[in-house]
Amino acid sequence: QVQLVQSGAEVKKPGASVKVSCKASGYTFTSYGISWVRQAPGQGLEWMGWISAYNGNTNYAQKLQGRVTMTTDTSTSTAYMELRSLRSDDTAVYYCARIEYSGSYSFDYWGQGTLVTVSS
Amino acid sequence: EIVLTQSPGTLSLSPGERATLSCRASQSVSSSYLAWYQQKPGQAPRLLIYGASSRATGIPDRFSGSGSGTDFTLTISRLEPEDFAVYYCQQYGSSQITFGQGTRLEIK
Repeated sequence: QVQLVQSGAEVKKPGASVKVSCKASGYTFTSYGISWVRQAPGQGLEWMGWISAYNGNTNYAQKLQGRVTMTTDTSTSTAYMELRSLRSDDTAVYYCARIEYSGSYSFDYWGQGTLVTVSS
Repeated sequence: EIVLTQSPGTLSLSPGERATLSCRASQSVSSSYLAWYQQKPGQAPRLLIYGASSRATGIPDRFSGSGSGTDFTLTISRLEPEDFAVYYCQQYGSSQITFGQGTRLEIK
């Protein structure tokens, strides 16, 4: 069965960076992309971008351009999302999700979420 | 960026009733790229509908999607207790993805 397992919660100070991992299993990793979506406390969903696990091509949300980097390690079927220059409004649950980007551009499987808290 | 506006913000209904949730786009969206998700407290979202009207794997047939252009609808024909949650629409266009702000479906 398809599973996406994310790394654990993080607490960071403003200005620091965070790197969250997402390990995929149960499918051919390079046949799909991985997208990242975040959700601030009590708020809605915000798309951050995606990466093709096939060739590493990325597409970032315009709002986060320059602060976010998404990578993959195909040898371990793991995707990573690094966010730099953290601010208090980056406090959120960060989800990875499998994206079907050759068809519907929808997210059919999700990780369990990683809480990132930014606080001085 | 295409803005998705969902209405109503909150919908109060009883089990067994029919729910109709709306998602309106600021410009035309390809039906192929419109999806709906359900999210319960403390859980990740779950894909319900993709391509505006196709049910995802394992989704009961009481959930249906319709619409085109700028107006899309998620219908739950007969509400079950487990259907009370927050629902989001999502679109892909011009290389960007956006979500609606969500509709909370609560028990009346």
